[in-house]
Amino acid sequence: GAGVSQSPRYKVAKRGQDVALRCDPISGHVSLFWYQQALGQGPEFLTYFQNEAQLDKSGLPSDRFFAERPEGSVSTLKIQRTQQEDSAVYLCASSSSDWNQETQYFGPGTRLLVL
Amino acid sequence: DAKTTQPPSMDCAEGRAANLPCNHSTISGNEYVYWYRQIHSQGPQYIIHGLKNNETNEMASLIITEDRKSSTLILPHATLRDTAVYYCIAPGGGSNYKLTFGKGTLLTVNP
Repeated sequence: GAGVSQSPRYKVAKRGQDVALRCDPISGHVSLFWYQQALGQGPEFLTYFQNEAQLDKSGLPSDRFFAERPEGSVSTLKIQRTQQEDSAVYLCASSSSDWNQETQYFGPGTRLLVL
Repeated sequence: DAKTTQPPSMDCAEGRAANLPCNHSTISGNEYVYWYRQIHSQGPQYIIHGLKNNETNEMASLIITEDRKSSTLILPHATLRDTAVYYCIAPGGGSNYKLTFGKGTLLTVNP
């Protein structure tokens, strides 16, 4: 079946612009995660949704970052007033249940470059 | 999360077994060990996970020591497409949905 998809795959933004990154999880998956991966580093946790509820946003680096999943399926990560340090790959993952140690399936990521 | 330690890089000849080690000496009794890999410019891919018994699937085998302080991921017949960064993760504690990737091991499979 279809995996996790993300769009756009690449995004170039001028410093100060707002961006919105979309994630389509695997159909029926309850849990959804966002990670940020800087160049040469492993992915780092940003936030976690269980259905439409955002249960953990402790990894969001600043109040410029906002994530939502209003209907419990598609999710959007929004970054306001982008800064150069926001340049990274943003990865979305989903898992089939709310069990904490359930396997996470990742999308290909959105590569964001802020100039 | 239990802290995991992996070598930064390893090489393997094509067709040979690749054995990737991981130390997780602070792992607690109910924490699973997960392995993911990330091929260049792709998202991480789940490989295998285990608690205390050895596990095998179509991709790899996972050997966990009896004291659970270390594990080895085995790719039995490595191919060039197995070149990737391999992450050993032991999510645990109250928020064990958070995967802490660290820097992983860059496995290079050579022809």
